Amino acid sequence: DVKVTQSSRYLVKRTGEKVFLECVQDMDHENMFWYRQDPGLGLRLIYFSYDVKMKEKGDIPEGYSVSREKKERFSLILESASTNQTSMYLCASRRFGDEQYFGPGTRLTVT
Amino acid sequence: KNEVEQSPQNLTAQEGEFITINCSYSVGISALHWLQQHPGGGIVSLFMLSSGKKKHGRLIATINIQEKHSSLHITASHPRDSAVYICAVYTGTASKLTFGTGTRLQVTL
Repeated sequence: DVKVTQSSRYLVKRTGEKVFLECVQDMDHENMFWYRQDPGLGLRLIYFSYDVKMKEKGDIPEGYSVSREKKERFSLILESASTNQTSMYLCASRRFGDEQYFGPGTRLTVT
Repeated sequence: KNEVEQSPQNLTAQEGEFITINCSYSVGISALHWLQQHPGGGIVSLFMLSSGKKKHGRLIATINIQEKHSSLHITASHPRDSAVYICAVYTGTASKLTFGTGTRLQVTL
């Protein structure tokens, strides 16, 4: 079974803090993704990576950066957290041509 | 207009009913996903299909590429089927998904 894990289920941070969200997959997938999910807006792609050290902006990259130093790990970084980044963050991975597998999500609250 | 439209947005059914959720898209696709999300839960992939029909237990997914339309059917619905069902499409050669806004299903006893 494919497993995608995220470092935290719930996270509370203060405005201005630097926040790291970690995602790890155990199936040697090339592609990894970070989404945020908000009521009424659905799922939106923040960044994705198609290989180690490769990244591409998604639909809403502003305020975020990513890091992929190893194939199994994809990190999302909020350089200076703001209240409008309060959301559910979902990581996913995929082998090209195959279905996408999602992690359990991290509910981030920025106060 | 969204590239991926789902209907209905909300659906309430009684246990045992046959349920259909529809997805229409306006772009060329390479494949389509049906996803399920329980309240407070993560997202699970139910099907990925690019043609025809797939069946898994009480769930059936169909796609008509010419009409740019897919349906998800649930036979003999059960309260544990209560969830949000999301349609998403892969466009072109990119691995990116474009998502519908979801259908919230509530199955009552």
